[in-house]
Amino acid sequence: QVQLQESGPGLVKPSETLSLTCTVSGGSISSSTYYWGWIRQPPGKGLEWIGSINYSGNTYDNPSLKSRVTISVDMSKNQFSLKLSSVTAADTAVYYCARHPETAMVTLDCWGQGVLVTVSS
Amino acid sequence: DIVMTQSPDSLAVSLGERATINCKSSQSVLYSSNNKNYLAWYQQKPGQSPKLLIYWASTRESGVPDRFSGSGSGTDFTLTISSLQAEDVAVYYCQQYYSTPTFGQGTRLEIK
Repeated sequence: QVQLQESGPGLVKPSETLSLTCTVSGGSISSSTYYWGWIRQPPGKGLEWIGSINYSGNTYDNPSLKSRVTISVDMSKNQFSLKLSSVTAADTAVYYCARHPETAMVTLDCWGQGVLVTVSS
Repeated sequence: DIVMTQSPDSLAVSLGERATINCKSSQSVLYSSNNKNYLAWYQQKPGQSPKLLIYWASTRESGVPDRFSGSGSGTDFTLTISSLQAEDVAVYYCQQYYSTPTFGQGTRLEIK
C-alpha cells in the first residue's frame, strides 16, 4: 500500500526558509486520482492545512499561508516538497504530508509519520 | 474561514459505554447541489499521525470498525463510538472541506 515519509532539517533559524520533502512509496505520485499535501500541528495543538499539489502542478492553497508557501512535485523521484519562507517561532510544528482525492474532497486518507521542525536561533 | 468548534474538549468514558463527540461549524458545510456534508472525522493516537475515520459526515473509511459512526447535517455533527474499547483512547478531530480545510481543536477521549 502507499506510504509517505517526510524528511528535512529538524531545526531552522528565524527568517530562513523551511524545506521538507515527502517521498511516496508503493504508488505513483503521477496518479491523476490524488493531490499530495502538507498539514502541520504545533506542539500540543490542533491541525492546520498548508496546501496540496497534483501531478500536473495544480495547487490548492491555504490563503493565510499562501504568500510564504511553495509546494512542488518531482515525479522522477516520486516526491513532493514544501518550502515555507520567513519562518518564526510560530512555525514550530510537526509537519505531516498526506494525500487526498481531489480539491473538492480534501479527506486525508494516507499520512506520513510527521517530522518535528523547530524554529530557533 | 469556517471555524470548527468541538465539544467537549475532553471526555472520559467507561469501557463498553457510548462516547459522543460534537462538532459545530460556523457556517453550513452542506453543499446543496449534491446534498453532501463536507465533513470528516480523524482519530489521532498518542505519538501517531491522524487516521481518517469518516467522510461525507457519515461514511466510514474502509477498515474502520462499525462501532464508529458519524451523523449530522448543516452545521452540527456528531461522532459516536457505540462501545468504547481501550484502543479508542485518542484525540478526535473534525474537519470541514467545504472550503479551505479547517479542523476542530480536538477532543481528548480517555477511559474512566
